[in-house]
Amino acid sequence: GEQVEQRPPHLSVREGDSAVITCTYTDPNSYYFFWYKQEPGASLQLLMKVFSSTEINEGQGFTVLLNKKDKRLSLNLTAAHPGDSAAYFCAVSAMGTNAYKVIFGKGTHLHVLP
Amino acid sequence: EAAVTQSPRNKVTVTGGNVTLSCRQTNSHNYMYWYRQDTGHGLRLIHYSYGAGNLQIGDVPDGYKATRTTQEDFFLLLELASPSQTSLYFCASSDGTGGNSDYTFGSGTRLLVI
Repeated sequence: GEQVEQRPPHLSVREGDSAVITCTYTDPNSYYFFWYKQEPGASLQLLMKVFSSTEINEGQGFTVLLNKKDKRLSLNLTAAHPGDSAAYFCAVSAMGTNAYKVIFGKGTHLHVLP
Repeated sequence: EAAVTQSPRNKVTVTGGNVTLSCRQTNSHNYMYWYRQDTGHGLRLIHYSYGAGNLQIGDVPDGYKATRTTQEDFFLLLELASPSQTSLYFCASSDGTGGNSDYTFGSGTRLLVI
């Protein structure tokens, strides 16, 4: 079945620097991809959902890149600020036995230093 | 407002104890999921369901049962709790159609098995 590997597990950057988190996946039939943010003690919030037909997606202060050839998904926070400190999870939608299910990466703990 | 509500927020039980975690969604979603979140593992799918009376096995089902009594309610049962089940549990719901579904997560239940 689908496997998702996320790197790095921990990342520290200075305020204003960029931060890049990358996920690789195995199932070439995966079609939907997600990035979630989890602040300390809180639940997961959807940052962005992307489709395999779109390679670059821009959000507020971040960019998501999808490389279908390499089966790689990345989240780039362009100018990190302390409010970006959180855990980030990628997720890939894959077909299970009878229904779609979402496979999560193991997460990246981002710490933005002031 | 559509939501996923989990109860209890925190639970302590002894080894061998019987625990039921509850989840209710008001999103009118067909799919519901139970995940556990552990450091170094991210979110791992325990069980999921695509409708009342339906149950699908996830990736880490051992030691867990689940029951979907209505479209709104999904329960996770630990009949003989073990310390290895100490974790943060998240319930989620989604529309689930075609894999293109946003997940709505509950606030989590923190379970300690002593």
